[in-house]
Parts: sequence; C-alpha cells; structure tokens
Amino acid sequence: AQRVTQPEKLLSVFKGAPVELKCNYSYSGSPELFWYVQYSRQRLQLLLRHISRESIKGFTADLNKGETSFHLKKPFAQEEDSAMYYCALNPGYSTLTFGKGTMLLVSP
Amino acid sequence: DAEITQSPRHKITETGRQVTLACHQTWNHNNMFWYRQDLGHGLRLIHYSYGVQDTNKGEVSDGYSVSRSNTEDLPLTLESAASSQTSVYFCASREDRNSPLHFGNGTRLTVT
Repeated sequence: AQRVTQPEKLLSVFKGAPVELKCNYSYSGSPELFWYVQYSRQRLQLLLRHISRESIKGFTADLNKGETSFHLKKPFAQEEDSAMYYCALNPGYSTLTFGKGTMLLVSP
Repeated sequence: DAEITQSPRHKITETGRQVTLACHQTWNHNNMFWYRQDLGHGLRLIHYSYGVQDTNKGEVSDGYSVSRSNTEDLPLTLESAASSQTSVYFCASREDRNSPLHFGNGTRLTVT
C-alpha cells in the first residue's frame, strides 16, 4: 500500500528565509505526486504536480526516486505563503493518498 | 466557469440526528470524493464514486453513506451523528484517475 509522510507538523520561518517542506512516499510503482495548498479557511488548491515541472508562486518540487522524496522548496519565503501544505500521491489505479500536512508560518 | 460547491458551509447538529451534506459539481467529472480534515490526521477519505450508481468505501467510512444518482451530485449522509464526526468535510472531483482533484469550499460540521 502507498503511504505519504510529511514529518513536520509545523514549520516556522522568517520572511526572506528559504523554505523546504519535506515529503517522503512509499510506493512500489511509478508515482505521480502533487502538492496542494490550503490558505486560511479556504479550499485546497493544487500548487504543483511533478509531471508539470513548473514553478508556481516561486515554489518548486523535484521528484527524487532514489530517496523517494518530493520536497517543496522556495528560496525566499513571503508572508502570504503561510498556509497548510499537503503532499499527495496518485497511484493512478486508485484514490489519492495525502500526507498529514505541514503548516507553514512565515513571520515578518 | 465550472465549479464544485458544498452546502451548507456550517452545520451544528445533535448527537443521533441524521445529517446530509451536499456536493454539486459542474465539471461533468465522473470521479467524486468525500474527505474529512482533522488536526493531526490530515485528509482522510470517507467515500468515493467513479460514476453514476457507483460508490466505494474509503479509509474512514463507518457511520457515513453516499449515493450517486447523477453525475453532478454526491451527497454525504451521516446516519446517526456522533461527536467524533465533528470535522471539516471536503468534497472533491476529478476528470480521470490521472488528473488532479478540484475541491469544494468545505462544510464545518459540529455535533453536540
């Protein structure tokens, strides 16, 4: 069975500092991975998917199959990045599996 | 624009009552899902459907049921509400198994 682990419940940084939200997965096949973001009291929305290889709002994420990781990174955090971030794995044949989420707090 | 809407946004009910949460999407997606969001547990799948008349149990389906009589709607029913079902509920849909999910705004349910 697939599993997604986000080891940090809370990550607190200062504005302008680099950010890395960790995501590790276990899955025997070729994974498709996503990052979703939820701003305060709003719906979850897609931030990134690994197959797109995009940079959204300054965030990037690279799939590392050797380390089974899909960490989300941003070089300079902004206050508006404060939100809950969920990593999710899509095995394709079944439903998405979400991690438990990491709350990012960016202080001025 | 296509969207997915949930109603009500907030609901307070008493233990033992039956409650139905509505989810309506205009994406014409076959795949629809219900999740609950709890601190420390993240998002957990309750039920899902891959099309009309199809329903499946998720990770935490006990005490919940869904029905899919058309493409647009997947109502979630709590047969006899319990305090443990106090949570925020999110409905989601996607075009196919390789597509990302589109989420509704959520329903905050409190069972007293």
